[in-house]
Amino acid sequence: NAGVMQNPRHLVRRRGQEARLRCSPMKGHSHVYWYRQLPEEGLKFMVYLQKENIIDESGMPKERFSAEFPKEGPSILRIQQVVRGDSAAYFCASSPTPNAQETQYFGPGTRLLVL
Amino acid sequence: GESVGLHLPTLSVQEGDNSIINCAYSNSASDYFIWYKQESGKGPQFIIDIRSNMDKRQGQRVTVLLNKTVKHLSLQIAATQPGDSAVYFCAETLNQAGTALIFGKGTTLSVSS
Repeated sequence: NAGVMQNPRHLVRRRGQEARLRCSPMKGHSHVYWYRQLPEEGLKFMVYLQKENIIDESGMPKERFSAEFPKEGPSILRIQQVVRGDSAAYFCASSPTPNAQETQYFGPGTRLLVL
Repeated sequence: GESVGLHLPTLSVQEGDNSIINCAYSNSASDYFIWYKQESGKGPQFIIDIRSNMDKRQGQRVTVLLNKTVKHLSLQIAATQPGDSAVYFCAETLNQAGTALIFGKGTTLSVSS
C-alpha cells in the first residue's frame, strides 16, 4: 500500500517562474491537506481539498497561490510568479474521511528553492 | 517567569536514557493531539495520538501525557536509540470535519551512543 506520493521532491525556480507541486494521496483517501514548512519551523496549514472541491483555503496566500484536486489525477499546488520567500518545503497529507480525528498521513514533501 | 516543561528547541541524550519532549498547545478548545517525528529530508511520521478525554496513552516505547489545565503535552521515549534522532512536533486540532492540524515548534532530539 503506497503512501502519499509527492513530486517533484526538489524543484528549483527563478523568480517570476511558476511552480507546480503534485500530490497523490494514499489509496482510498479523498481528502488532501497542503502545508508549508519554512526552515527551522513547524508546518503551517495552507489548504484543504476534497475531490473537485476546495473546502478551506484560509491558510493560503490570496495572490499567486492556487490548489486543485481534480476528479482524476493528483492534487496540484500551483505558485505563480515565485519569489524568494516562497522557498520552503511543501507537504501534503491525506486522510480517508473528513473526520478531524482521522490521522493525516504525510508525503515526503517537495523542497522548492527560488533563486 | 518560565514554567516547568517549557518547550526546548533541542534535547541531547545518551543512548538508553529516557527522553521527555514537551509542547504547549495554543487552543483550549482543541481535543485531539498528535506527535509526529520528522527525519531530515522526510515528511512528518505519525508516532502517537491522544484525545482530550484521556490524560495518558502508551505505545511501544512511547507515552504521551496530556494536561488540559495548563495546555501541555509531553512525549516520553523510553530507552532512546540513535534511530530516534529527529525533530519532534506536536500537533493539535478540533473535532470538526476537515480541520487542519496546528503544529507546535519542533524539538530536535539528538541521541549519542
